[in-house]
Amino acid sequence: EVQLLESGGGLVQPGGSLRLSCVASGFTFSSYAMTWVRQAPGKGLEWVSAISDNGDNTYYADSVKGRFTISRDKSKNTLYLQMNSLRAEDTAIYYCANYDSLDVWGQGTAVTVSS
Amino acid sequence: DIQMTQSPSTLSASVGDRVTITCRASQTISTWLAWYQQKPGNAPKLLIYQASTLQSGVPSRFSGSGSGTDFTLAISSLQPDDFATYYCQHYKRYWTFGQGTKVEIK
Repeated sequence: EVQLLESGGGLVQPGGSLRLSCVASGFTFSSYAMTWVRQAPGKGLEWVSAISDNGDNTYYADSVKGRFTISRDKSKNTLYLQMNSLRAEDTAIYYCANYDSLDVWGQGTAVTVSS
Repeated sequence: DIQMTQSPSTLSASVGDRVTITCRASQTISTWLAWYQQKPGNAPKLLIYQASTLQSGVPSRFSGSGSGTDFTLAISSLQPDDFATYYCQHYKRYWTFGQGTKVEIK
């Protein structure tokens, strides 16, 4: 079964850091670009970041550029999102997804930035 | 950057109605357009890609059309399971989503 499972969300103070993980199974992880999408409470979907299949190329939304870092570990079939200098407006459900296939999404992990 | 604008933001309809949702891109995107359905507490579900190709397993009452800058998602006969929020998405260069259309019970 094709699956993505996120973890690492939680409550963090403004200015803090958090690392999200997304474990892939059921498909050849190293063959696909991957991405993170977030959804603030009661709001729409916002693309956050993407990484090429081999990890050589990374892309970021302007809203997170310079604060977030996307990476991947093919030996662990895992996608990461390192989030630094977190702000209240980063509060959201964070989804990982298969960038190339469009149809494979995780269930999401919740990040709350609050003092 | 390409912007995606959906209309309407909210749509009230009854079971059996035909409904249409439109999505406009700020510049031409050929057919690099997908539609998703999202229900509360769930991840988005892909319905249509390449503007008009139905994703496997999606009921045939869903259809997509358009190219260039103007696109439409149609549901031919609304079913109880279809009350949800729908998003268009441009996916050629990065991903860009429309703001969503909530389809609610009239």
